[in-house]
Amino acid sequence: DSGVTQTPKHLITATGQRVTLRCSPRSGDLSVYWYQQSLDQGLQFLIHYYNGEERAKGNILERFSAQQFPDLHSELNLSSLELGDSALYFCASSDGGSPYNEQFFGPGTRLTVL
Amino acid sequence: AQKVTQAQTEISVVEKEDVTLDCVYETRDTTYYLFWYKQPPSGELVFLIRRNSFDEQNEISGRYSWNFQKSTSSFNFTITASQVVDSAVYFCALSEGDYGQNFVFGPGTRLSVLP
Repeated sequence: DSGVTQTPKHLITATGQRVTLRCSPRSGDLSVYWYQQSLDQGLQFLIHYYNGEERAKGNILERFSAQQFPDLHSELNLSSLELGDSALYFCASSDGGSPYNEQFFGPGTRLTVL
Repeated sequence: AQKVTQAQTEISVVEKEDVTLDCVYETRDTTYYLFWYKQPPSGELVFLIRRNSFDEQNEISGRYSWNFQKSTSSFNFTITASQVVDSAVYFCALSEGDYGQNFVFGPGTRLSVLP
């Protein structure tokens, strides 16, 4: 158990809908990273937050947004969902603000868009 | 743009064999970070190792070892005396920039260790 929790584990929704994925980092970790894993695109880095501030952006679509709250949990919001958004979404946390810090991954949220 | 290539899509070995997973990267930055991750059949991602571009020392951790060669832009991963529990998909990744603004994963190599 990495200490990172993600909810929900599974999510099934329809095209055009909006969903929110939640991540709670390990105790004491200030960084949260979001990743998407799909059959088409493989593993992709989406976004990195450090202590409430956005630190780096990867291949995150404009329909997606994220934030990190004062208690350090993070939410990834996906809107106007398309079939291609079906994927496994991971979050990871680390204690530092650099990608060089070891990241601990949550179990993932599997999103299915029908 | 940076890129990570893992030319081996799938590898099968018999238990106790040694196996090397190749990773070749492309970057124009002089400061970058390299990583290996493991994704077992259960699906979670496990961080294995990180390296910064200024540290070319090879590393050994138990049955795992990593060979970083800047001259060939490679960061290969060797498992010695493989075990069935090593069966997983292994990803190599490259991060550029101080904050990992450019973080790219390779396509992964699926390793099957047969008993």
